[in-house]
Amino acid sequence: GAGVSQSPSNKVTEKGKDVELRCDPISGHTALYWYRQRLGQGLEFLIYFQGNSAPDKSGLPSDRFSAERTGESVSTLTIQRTQQEDSAVYLCASSLSRRITEKLFFGSGTQLSVL
Amino acid sequence: GQQLNQSPQSMFIQEGEDVSMNCTSSSIFNTWLWYKQDPGEGPVLLIALYKAGELTSNGRLTAQFGITRKDSFLNISASIPSDVGIYFCAGQWQGGSEKLVFGKGTKLTVNP
Repeated sequence: GAGVSQSPSNKVTEKGKDVELRCDPISGHTALYWYRQRLGQGLEFLIYFQGNSAPDKSGLPSDRFSAERTGESVSTLTIQRTQQEDSAVYLCASSLSRRITEKLFFGSGTQLSVL
Repeated sequence: GQQLNQSPQSMFIQEGEDVSMNCTSSSIFNTWLWYKQDPGEGPVLLIALYKAGELTSNGRLTAQFGITRKDSFLNISASIPSDVGIYFCAGQWQGGSEKLVFGKGTKLTVNP
């Protein structure tokens, strides 16, 4: 596709349920990032993938959060046993490489609401 | 992680006015970036700065990488209604990896 695609755009779930968020990066982009944006806040780094290297998981807030990426394509962010504080917009971004000079392209995000 | 202090949190201005916002940090940054986020969308890169003292323009936008490498500002001249949105600074700090640290954003409202 032309840009980074995320699905679903909105997700409402009950506390304690698991959710899976999907990101389709721009074709050819080797680097993929997940960020969390709470209401009125900046972007909080969660995890990033670069090619076949081990992902940088240093931003994941708890072991309820995990992410996978198949090669240089789709990534899924999974939140287990969701809590109300997990409510936020989850943004995915991709870039041509890991170098910071490469422009990051963001998706429109998944708005997660945990009731 | 390293913190970026962005100010002001929000601004309400009249169309045609100039706007200035800034970011500061207690740590040295190698790169400063400015993004704009429209409602329901992801952030879009406006300006990237890579060297201390660098001053870069993009249309009505001007941004500078502070000499101390601990701050950056963004100016918008002659604001127009479509400038409305949230502006984020972001940076890569000297002691970190490639991941970006973001400020909390400046919400800009432009009254016609």
